[in-house]
Amino acid sequence: GIQVEQSPPDLILQEGANSTLRCNFSDSVNNLQWFHQNPWGQLINLFYIPSGTKQNGRLSATTVATERYSLLYISSSQTTDSGVYFCAVERDDMRFGAGTRLTVKP
Amino acid sequence: DARVTQTPRHKVTEMGQEVTMRCQPILGHNTVFWYRQTMMQGLELLAYFRNRAPLDDSGMPKDRFSAEMPDATLATLKIQPSEPRDSAVYFCASGSPQGWGTEAFFGQGTRLTVV
Repeated sequence: GIQVEQSPPDLILQEGANSTLRCNFSDSVNNLQWFHQNPWGQLINLFYIPSGTKQNGRLSATTVATERYSLLYISSSQTTDSGVYFCAVERDDMRFGAGTRLTVKP
Repeated sequence: DARVTQTPRHKVTEMGQEVTMRCQPILGHNTVFWYRQTMMQGLELLAYFRNRAPLDDSGMPKDRFSAEMPDATLATLKIQPSEPRDSAVYFCASGSPQGWGTEAFFGQGTRLTVV
């Protein structure tokens, strides 16, 4: 099956810093989504982004489907950004990467 | 209020008992996924349905797990008999077609503890 790799596995930031999270996948996909799992365990949709670039406030995402990767940018990070960020790719089914655990310190 | 509803939110049961988890997908969504999340394995796909038909349940231990979708408003995941290693958070997601893919939305999960 398709392999999904996320990096870095852990990231610690000071409030106000910017960061880039990466998702690599091993084959062509129909869809890619980014999710945020908050400290209460809830999985929240961030972006549906099979290709191109999207922005939502301080967050933006870019997927380069031909090169099989996606990037999630977080600017001016806040403590509420803490949690685990997952990318999920859809081909025959929907598979998740292992996630990036982000801790934003005040 | 368009959201995926899972019940129960928490379940503690004894080994050997049957467990049934329920999921109400978002109205109009035609795809339902079941995932299990553990620290060791992350988010594992157990099964998924499209238009109520099971498309893939290869991630599910067949001897004890079963997934069904008796109608468009209800998906169930059953474990019989349950074992301590089944302790995990079980998520349901429902999805709608977007272009070539499916945009998925998650429920709040069922935290299962088998003692």
